[in-house]
Amino acid sequence: GEDVEQSLFLSVREGDSSVINCTYTDSSSTYLYWYKQEPGAGLQLLTYIFSNMDMKQDQRLTVLLNKKDKHLSLRIADTQTGDSAIYFCAERDPGGGADGLTFGKGTHLIIQP
Amino acid sequence: DTEVTQTPKHLVMGMTNKKSLKCEQHMGHRAMYWYKQKAKKPPELMFVYSYEKLSINESVPSRFSPECPNSSLLNLHLHALQPEDSALYLCASSLGGEVPQHFGDGTRLSIL
Repeated sequence: GEDVEQSLFLSVREGDSSVINCTYTDSSSTYLYWYKQEPGAGLQLLTYIFSNMDMKQDQRLTVLLNKKDKHLSLRIADTQTGDSAIYFCAERDPGGGADGLTFGKGTHLIIQP
Repeated sequence: DTEVTQTPKHLVMGMTNKKSLKCEQHMGHRAMYWYKQKAKKPPELMFVYSYEKLSINESVPSRFSPECPNSSLLNLHLHALQPEDSALYLCASSLGGEVPQHFGDGTRLSIL
């Protein structure tokens, strides 16, 4: 099966920038997504990027896409305590016509005061 | 606040019970999804409905039975579940294709 890889933990100090990295395998993915999950909650769509873009910025969030290396990153500027959550990178399931998403294992962002 | 509403938020049931999970959206989305998420794991796709027809069943055991009565509603009927079925069940919807999916807050299911 296809894999989406992420590191499991990232610890940053409040006010610093957080960079969460992801590698994906399906080069035909048209969209790549970032979701945020707070404890006990569902998934919140944070942002997504078209595969023909290199970068997308939305307020404190910047997404960078390197198609050649199949590498996606999410940068959160001025990280706040409310950013503490698990961040999932996702691509559309490449399994022939399926609409489902394949998620990475998630990166747990820990904010130090 | 999520625009995909799931009920109940929590459910505890015995292995012989029959219960249903419900999901509702009024965004005009034509694709709806069920995912299962075990603790400390990513969500895994279970079912996809497209235009009220089941299009994907990811080899889910028959003790889970999905139903899409209309374009706004999605149910998941549960019967004779096992303790390993305890998980967070997430519903999502989208306009279809690769456009982003919007998730509900989930139903946390515990099987005794």
